Amino acid sequence: AQSVTQPDIHITVSEGASLELRCNYSYGATPYLFWYVQSPGQGLQLLLKYFSGDTLVQGIKGFEAEFKRSQSSFNLRKPSVHWSDAAEYFCAVGDAGGGNKLTFGTGTQLKVEL
Amino acid sequence: NAGVTQTPKFRVLKTGQSMTLLCAQDMNHEYMYWYRQDPGMGLRLIHYSVGEGTTAKGEVPDGYNVSRLKKQNFLLGLESAAPSQTSVYFCASSYDQEIETQYFGPGTRLLVL
Repeated sequence: AQSVTQPDIHITVSEGASLELRCNYSYGATPYLFWYVQSPGQGLQLLLKYFSGDTLVQGIKGFEAEFKRSQSSFNLRKPSVHWSDAAEYFCAVGDAGGGNKLTFGTGTQLKVEL
Repeated sequence: NAGVTQTPKFRVLKTGQSMTLLCAQDMNHEYMYWYRQDPGMGLRLIHYSVGEGTTAKGEVPDGYNVSRLKKQNFLLGLESAAPSQTSVYFCASSYDQEIETQYFGPGTRLLVL
């Protein structure tokens, strides 16, 4: 069965600093990978997704992620963090068994210091 | 276009009581999902549906039942609530293709005493 590991539970960065959130997956075939963001008290919103092609994927709000098959990773990056980026970030892998199901990681809580 | 809506937003139940959570979507999506979110555990899939009249079990289905009588609605039922079902419940929907974006509702916070 597929799984997703987000090794960092909490990350704190200063506003304007760069950000990298780590995600490692376990999947037997070519994975479908997603990053979602959850603002406090809200549902999840898709930031970006990867399923084939260019391994560097651009998303909304200035985020990007790079798929590295050799490392089974799909890390999320942003060159300059804004205070409004404070939220919880979830990496997910799609289940090719049908139903467009997702398996989520446990999330990384991002705090932005002004 | 409201997207995905959930009713109620918050509910307190006593152990053994029953309740139904309602999810509605106006995007004509075939697929719908119910997740629960617990601290440190991310989102876990409870049940899902790939079309009107169909339902299937997810990762943590025990203690829950679902129904999809209408395409736009997906109901999650708790027949006899337990404190372990205290959680935040999210509904989501998507088009009927793989790697499609799932659109999430705002969540229902449930407390079982």
